[in-house]
Amino acid sequence: DTGVSQNPRHKITKRGQNVTFRCDPISEHNRLYWYRQTLGQGPEFLTYFQNEAQLEKSRLLSDRFSAERPKGSFSTLEIQRTEQGDSAMYLCASRPTGQKNQETQYFGPGTRLLVL
Amino acid sequence: AQKVTQAQTEISVVEKEDVTLDCVYETRDTTYYLFWYKQPPSGELVFLIRRNSFDEQNEISGRYSWNFQKSTSSFNFTITASQVVDSAVYFCALSERDSGYSTLTFGKGTMLLVSP
Repeated sequence: DTGVSQNPRHKITKRGQNVTFRCDPISEHNRLYWYRQTLGQGPEFLTYFQNEAQLEKSRLLSDRFSAERPKGSFSTLEIQRTEQGDSAMYLCASRPTGQKNQETQYFGPGTRLLVL
Repeated sequence: AQKVTQAQTEISVVEKEDVTLDCVYETRDTTYYLFWYKQPPSGELVFLIRRNSFDEQNEISGRYSWNFQKSTSSFNFTITASQVVDSAVYFCALSERDSGYSTLTFGKGTMLLVSP
């Protein structure tokens, strides 16, 4: 069990550019979550997938944000036309379903985005 | 209204002291889960403990213990004989059945500084 991985770990971009982050969940975890964490705050839910289906999106997820999980394995989160307010840590988590302890989400190391 | 409140922003202790982190939650759901996560400076959220709403038995796991009281909607977490490696931000989180346990609602975190 290798844990949730995220790439890149750090990203610096200029305002207006597009960025894409990747998350690889723990294998056989069919639920995958994206959260955003700003300085001094707890993580805030953005969206989640069960397999390839995106089941819920937070109102925090503006039209500039899009997430995909095309084959039900890894997921990508894209931010178009980045703004300085998008600077944050983007965290990915996964959890199993249909198993004991299924309610626990396991987090990756995050991608820290800085928009200049 | 905040669903999860961690009133302590920062706590400083000296190594070997015991420390308790407070968490108060708010939910109308009768079935829910409460969690504590640790976030060291590296950024990754590490799962520590989980408790469901039907189990108020307080337990000890190594140096960690927790006190869950539904009557006061509190889920406090204690580290016994703190160590420098315990220095991190600790988050309390709530997952509700009404949302299908699909999201975690986090508090703002408590930064714990353990000095030698």
